[in-house]
Amino acid sequence: EVQLVESGGGLVKPGGALRLSCAASGFTFSDAWMSWVRQAPGKGLEWVGRITSKSDGGAADYAAPVKGRFTISRDDSENTLYLEMDSLKSEDTAVYYCTRQLTRFDYWGQGTLVTVSS
Amino acid sequence: QSVLTQPPSVSAAPGQKVTISCSGSSSNIGNNYVSWYQQLPGTAPKLLIYDNNQRPSGIPDRFSGSKSGTSATLGITGLQAGDEADYYCGTWDSSLNNYWLFGGGTKLTVL
Repeated sequence: EVQLVESGGGLVKPGGALRLSCAASGFTFSDAWMSWVRQAPGKGLEWVGRITSKSDGGAADYAAPVKGRFTISRDDSENTLYLEMDSLKSEDTAVYYCTRQLTRFDYWGQGTLVTVSS
Repeated sequence: QSVLTQPPSVSAAPGQKVTISCSGSSSNIGNNYVSWYQQLPGTAPKLLIYDNNQRPSGIPDRFSGSKSGTSATLGITGLQAGDEADYYCGTWDSSLNNYWLFGGGTKLTVL
C-alpha cells in the first residue's frame, strides 16, 4: 500500500523558516518524481514545485511565488522528500501536501498545516 | 485568477448527470494530458481521471473525462450525495516556465 506521510508543519513568524518532511512507502521512491502542492485556507490547490528522480537528473522546479525561497530535496536512502521554506510570508499559510507525480498526481499525503503569523 | 478556468459551482439532483468544464490554452491543455481530482470536505485530493479520460482502479465508471482542443470536461452520471465535493482539473504548462497548473476548482452540490 502506498503511503505518504507529511510532518513538520506548525506556527512560524513572518520571515522565519520551516522544513517539511514526507515519508514515503509502498513504491520505489528513488524512481519517483515528487511534488509539493499547497492549499491556503478556503482556497484552491496550488502547485509549489517538484523534484525529478536522480536517474532523471534530480532537478527541482518551482512555482513563481516560492522560487528563491523554497527548496525541494530528497533522501532516497530514507525514502523521504523535503521542503525547506525560508523567508516565509503570511500568504504561505496553507496545508502542504506531498504527492507522487507522473502525468498526474496519483498518490497524496494527508497534508501538514503551516501557519505564518506574528 | 487561475490560468485554467472552471465554473465556481455546479449543482444537480441525485441520479442526474453533471459536467464540469476546464478551459485553458495551447500551452497547457492543448498540448498536455489533463487530470481531475476530487476533494471531499476536510480530506486530501484524490485522483479521479488521468491522461484526459483514464480512470484509476477503484474509480467507478460514473466518472468520465474528455478533452477537445484547449478544453477538458469531467462528467459525472448517477449523482450521489457522496459526490458532493470540490473538483479540480490540472495539467502541465509547457511554456518557458514549465510548471503545473490547477483550475480554480468547482464546488459540486447535490441538491
